[in-house]
Amino acid sequence: AQSVTQLDSHVSVSEGTPVLLRCNYSSSYSPSLFWYVQHPNKGLQLLLKYTSAATLVKGINGFEAEFKKSETSFHLTKPSAHMSDAAEYFCVVSASNDMRFGAGTRLTVKP
Amino acid sequence: GAVVSQHPSWVICKSGTSVKIECRSLDFQATTMFWYRQFPKQSLMLMATSNEGSKATYEQGVEKDKFLINHASLTLSTLTVTSAHPEDSSFYICSARDRGVEQFFGPGTRLTVL
Repeated sequence: AQSVTQLDSHVSVSEGTPVLLRCNYSSSYSPSLFWYVQHPNKGLQLLLKYTSAATLVKGINGFEAEFKKSETSFHLTKPSAHMSDAAEYFCVVSASNDMRFGAGTRLTVKP
Repeated sequence: GAVVSQHPSWVICKSGTSVKIECRSLDFQATTMFWYRQFPKQSLMLMATSNEGSKATYEQGVEKDKFLINHASLTLSTLTVTSAHPEDSSFYICSARDRGVEQFFGPGTRLTVL
């Protein structure tokens, strides 16, 4: 069995400041982990993924995430937020053909 | 590469009618396709998993007779919402996977049942 917990339902930052979206996971297997972004009324776009290679994963649009097995975490970060980053973000854990979504974190970027 | 399309992008129907939503993998063969449902401001909930040529596996609580899934080819899966009611109004998202781990998501279909 596996699950994923996104620790913040809503994060608000000012434009140009760092972004941190937190994700913890639980899995009986060696999981793959993903971060997706969803803009209003749109499908999901893959930001980055971890599949047992390098623990620091770089994605699109300046996002990156670090897989920390000891902390069972996969937090998403970005050094400087842009207005276009405002969206819903989902952390996803996948193992043994089972994919589980976190509840989502809504990111608001203030000018 | 790895593009998944859905049609229609939105649909409005009367209560009691059936609606079919198509999901296509445009540039790869999808051995497995997934159907999700998303209520406003909520996460995606997996409804069912379908493998080409076999019956779909439904998640607990999802009525298989109400949500008919067909995965007749390696590039097409359909979800038919039968006898739709207002409570079926939702955002339906499909995804497709070849032999790898990653799922590629469609843009979603907004269903509104009047």
